Amino acid sequence: GENVEQHPSTLSVQEGDSAVIKCTYSDSASNYFPWYKQELGKGPQLIIDIRSNVGEKKDQRIAVTLNKTAKHFSLHITETQPEDSAVYFCAAPGGSQGNLIFGKGTKLSVKP
Amino acid sequence: DTAVSQTPKYLVTQMGNDKSIKCEQNLGHDTMYWYKQDSKKFLKIMFSYNNKELIINETVPNRFSPKSPDKAHLNLHINSLELGDSAVYFCASSPHLNTEAFFGQGTRLTVV
Repeated sequence: GENVEQHPSTLSVQEGDSAVIKCTYSDSASNYFPWYKQELGKGPQLIIDIRSNVGEKKDQRIAVTLNKTAKHFSLHITETQPEDSAVYFCAAPGGSQGNLIFGKGTKLSVKP
Repeated sequence: DTAVSQTPKYLVTQMGNDKSIKCEQNLGHDTMYWYKQDSKKFLKIMFSYNNKELIINETVPNRFSPKSPDKAHLNLHINSLELGDSAVYFCASSPHLNTEAFFGQGTRLTVV
């Protein structure tokens, strides 16, 4: 089955700096890679995703890159703001129940 | 307007009790899930329900049982609650298996 590893587990940046979170996956057949943001007391919210037929996707300050050969994908946040502070999860399909497999999360803190 | 809604948001109960958490989605999705998030924020799949077929995670105790009266609802029943059941439980839905998941706000269950 699929296995998703996520690094780092915590990340602290100054407001305005960039943040990068990386994930690796094990199943070369996986073709869909979403990223979720979870704020305190709320459910995970889908913020961006990428499919295996593209290498990069951008949405304003957020971008995701995918390297299928190396089986890793990354989330890039530019010009970080305090409201970007949250726990971020990467995921990939392939769970035995037709579910997404989630990484263990990265707690991002943006200091003003 | 809420896409995936679950109730209650908080649930405090004594050991040995039986409780239920309700979930409804208005997205017209075929698939619904229950996830458990522990104190370390790890998201673990419990159940998937796709087109009237239940897919169970074998590691989930049989004290937990999902019930789906129709495609838009997947409720979670828990019998004989134990201290270790304390966690945040998330309902989610997807258009199909192995696609993007949309999460509810979560139910924080505390067993005392």
